[in-house]
Amino acid sequence: DGGITQSPKYLFRKEGQNVTLSCEQNLNHDAMYWYRQDPGQGLRLIYYSQIVNDFQKGDIAEGYSVSREKKESFPLTVTSAQKNPTAFYLCASSISGGQYEQYFGPGTRLTVT
Amino acid sequence: QKEVEQNSGPLSVPEGAIASLNCTYSDRGSQSFFWYRQYSGKSPELIMSIYSNGDKEDGRFTAQLNKASQYVSLLIRDSQPSDSATYLCAGDSGGYQKVTFGTGTKLQVIP
Repeated sequence: DGGITQSPKYLFRKEGQNVTLSCEQNLNHDAMYWYRQDPGQGLRLIYYSQIVNDFQKGDIAEGYSVSREKKESFPLTVTSAQKNPTAFYLCASSISGGQYEQYFGPGTRLTVT
Repeated sequence: QKEVEQNSGPLSVPEGAIASLNCTYSDRGSQSFFWYRQYSGKSPELIMSIYSNGDKEDGRFTAQLNKASQYVSLLIRDSQPSDSATYLCAGDSGGYQKVTFGTGTKLQVIP
């Protein structure tokens, strides 16, 4: 089955620790995206990548970092510099670019205390 | 900042009725539009995409696009309680590299 996987589903961390969220896709999509969703809010773009070894900041990149070393993988690191990291994190992919449908993984719910 | 705006709702409709969800966008350069359904605690699921002016039908769902007026709508016919969810409207932006999402409209279908 083709799809997008994110792990873990739930993640708990202490304040001051960095944490890396996994996102893998086997859809052969070129573009991948990370969004953050807070309760009752829409999706806010953190980072996106159109091609391997290249990525761009989204609207709320501060306190986050990414890498795109393989087409299938786009991990997101939430650093200690992110002031309010507790949120629902969603990874998505599309064939190429924003003009194509994006498909989402199941999400990772991060709680930082 | 290019925006996509939706009424947050909740929009309540009786079972079997037509639910009408609306969305406006500010980027005149946007060409592609999408509707997603999101159940509470779950990730968004793509329902419809629309690229041309007019209507696009898929089962009980019809997406409508009017580029001159910069609005997109989603009609759900014969609404079912299982349609109760938040519906997100999205449009491409940033030179087609990314997508901007609205904050979503919560739909409640009353049995």
